[in-house]
Amino acid sequence: GDSVTQMEGPVTLSEEAFLTINCTYTATGYPSLFWYVQYPGEGLQLLLKATKADDKGSNKGFEATYRKETTSFHLEKGSVQVSDSAVYFCALRLYGNKLVFGAGTILRVKS
Amino acid sequence: DAGVIQSPRHEVTEMGQEVTLRCKPISGHNSLFWYRQTMMRGLELLIYFNNNVPIDDSGMPEDRFSAKMPNASFSTLKIQPSEPRDSAVYFCASSPTVTGTGAEQYFGPGTRLTVT
Repeated sequence: GDSVTQMEGPVTLSEEAFLTINCTYTATGYPSLFWYVQYPGEGLQLLLKATKADDKGSNKGFEATYRKETTSFHLEKGSVQVSDSAVYFCALRLYGNKLVFGAGTILRVKS
Repeated sequence: DAGVIQSPRHEVTEMGQEVTLRCKPISGHNSLFWYRQTMMRGLELLIYFNNNVPIDDSGMPEDRFSAKMPNASFSTLKIQPSEPRDSAVYFCASSPTVTGTGAEQYFGPGTRLTVT
């Protein structure tokens, strides 16, 4: 079935370090791909999305490129801040509005 | 816009009691989703509605769980009877479109349920 696999966390970085969170997917069609972020005590918020191959989603300094060849959608940020500490979820959608989420990756940024 | 509204934010109840969680989606959105989040199982989709009609309830764990959407601005998730393993954070989300690949889901703040 359709699934999303994320790198296990927690990921612990110092402020201003480079961030990569890996995400790969398995799907029978051509899904749209999303990154959601969940700050402590809150619901999930859309961070960025890409709807077709080679699209790059970007927001708040975060980027991810839809790679069909490697079925990947890795999240990157050049310089993380303490305020980026959160749980990051990769997700895909194939039809309708139903999303399939990865397990989530905890990011901790130390000052 | 007020966003997706959920109530209560926290609920503590005893095993065997009925629990009702409530959700008000964003006005104009025609899709509504109920999720459950636990450490062990992550984020699970329980059920979703399009235009107030349940489309996919395959994630509802068992008959103790039921969900309704009597109108476009209100939905409930009921657990009867509740069990300790139902303890989790329950999220409601809404989305503005039924079809297409780019529609975003907007999540509420969640209800933290503890069943003792």
